[in-house]
Amino acid sequence: QQQVKQSPQSLIVQKGGISIINCAYENTAFDYFPWYQQFPGKGPALLIAIRPDVSEKKEGRFTISFNKSAKQFSLHIMDSQPGDSATYFCAASRSTNAGKSTFGDGTTLTVKP
Amino acid sequence: NAGVTQTPKFRILKIGQSMTLQCTQDMNHNYMYWYRQDPGMGLKLIYYSVGAGITDKGEVPNGYNVSRSTTEDFPLRLELAAPSQTSVYFCASSYSNRGSYEQYFGPGTRLTVT
Repeated sequence: QQQVKQSPQSLIVQKGGISIINCAYENTAFDYFPWYQQFPGKGPALLIAIRPDVSEKKEGRFTISFNKSAKQFSLHIMDSQPGDSATYFCAASRSTNAGKSTFGDGTTLTVKP
Repeated sequence: NAGVTQTPKFRILKIGQSMTLQCTQDMNHNYMYWYRQDPGMGLKLIYYSVGAGITDKGEVPNGYNVSRSTTEDFPLRLELAAPSQTSVYFCASSYSNRGSYEQYFGPGTRLTVT
């Protein structure tokens, strides 16, 4: 049973466009939702994260939208750049569970110049 | 700070061999984790630790063992390697910031079992 479902598997966007990646979760006890960015040959790195007490969080060109009732959250990358080309993972964890995270399967983003 | 370091970067094992993947962090984080990442898949938690001397199983622990004798080190032991253990292994560490656990990942170890 996959607890965090991520879509799409891959995404191609033109430079300057908006990239949108979606995740859905099942466990309502999750209360921390990070997004990680991974470049080829590197480990994932935290990009942005949200807790369910807010519906949106923005950091520069990256925004998380969170819908608690639908158990969904999404990553929006505005003005996408070729340097944003990477694999993006959503994750979910419970604050009472030692930070053990359940990850989505990842989205490979390609931004064409 | 070096962050999270992992050795080796690459390794080829024969079926039935054993090895230890090393992981060290210099951020004084209490929490440490081992994940495996298979092609096209997300990260699966193998084992985790909430502090020195305390470890517990994650989602896919079979075929692996861990120990945590110090805050800094969290080695992963593979006994009797099998082709199904071919994967990229990531070690991570984190601390609790009011219930938020930002995880810091190492560069990974790419393991092939043939």
